[in-house]
Amino acid sequence: AQSVTQLGSHVSVSEGALVLLRCNYSSSVPPYLFWYVQYPNQGLQLLLKYTTGATLVKGINGFEAEFKKSETSFHLTKPSAHMSDAAEYFCAVSYSGGSNYKLTFGKGTLLTVNP
Amino acid sequence: GAVVSQHPSWVICKSGTSVKIECRSLDFQATTMFWYRQFPKQSLMLMATSNEGSKATYEQGVEKDKFLINHASLTLSTLTVTSAHPEDSSFYICSARDANRGHEKLFFGSGTQLSVL
Repeated sequence: AQSVTQLGSHVSVSEGALVLLRCNYSSSVPPYLFWYVQYPNQGLQLLLKYTTGATLVKGINGFEAEFKKSETSFHLTKPSAHMSDAAEYFCAVSYSGGSNYKLTFGKGTLLTVNP
Repeated sequence: GAVVSQHPSWVICKSGTSVKIECRSLDFQATTMFWYRQFPKQSLMLMATSNEGSKATYEQGVEKDKFLINHASLTLSTLTVTSAHPEDSSFYICSARDANRGHEKLFFGSGTQLSVL
């Protein structure tokens, strides 16, 4: 069984400040990990993913995340927040189970950026 | 980029009626589509996996006779909430997998907010 825990349902930062959104997972098999962003009234958009290989992955809009197996974490960061980053962010896990494409999502973290 | 269109985006219905939600992949073939349900402040919960031309696979606890899924073509899947009740009020969102891409190429619709009176 898989599960995802996103610490903090709401994170507020100032424009230009570091963004850190936390995600911990549990999986009995090697995971695939994802971060999605959802802007108001829009569908989820993939920010970045980890499947295999390099544990530090870079995504769109300056975001990156590092897979830390020992900590079962996949935290999302961005060095400098922009106003346009305000959105809901979801961490998700799947596993390398062949044709299994099912995702298990965290509860989401709402990011607000203050001017 | 790939686009998934979900319609309607918002629907209100009376208790006991049925509501159909459509999910279309606009510029790719989607052999697999997924239907999720999201309650406020909760995560997206997978309801069912829909494969074109075959019966949907429902997650544990999801009533297949309540939530009818049809995936008759490579670009369209529908979710029908039958005999809706207030407890069915929720945000429903679909995703579609591009058959020509890998594992991570899932594209999401913008969701449907269902309110049952």
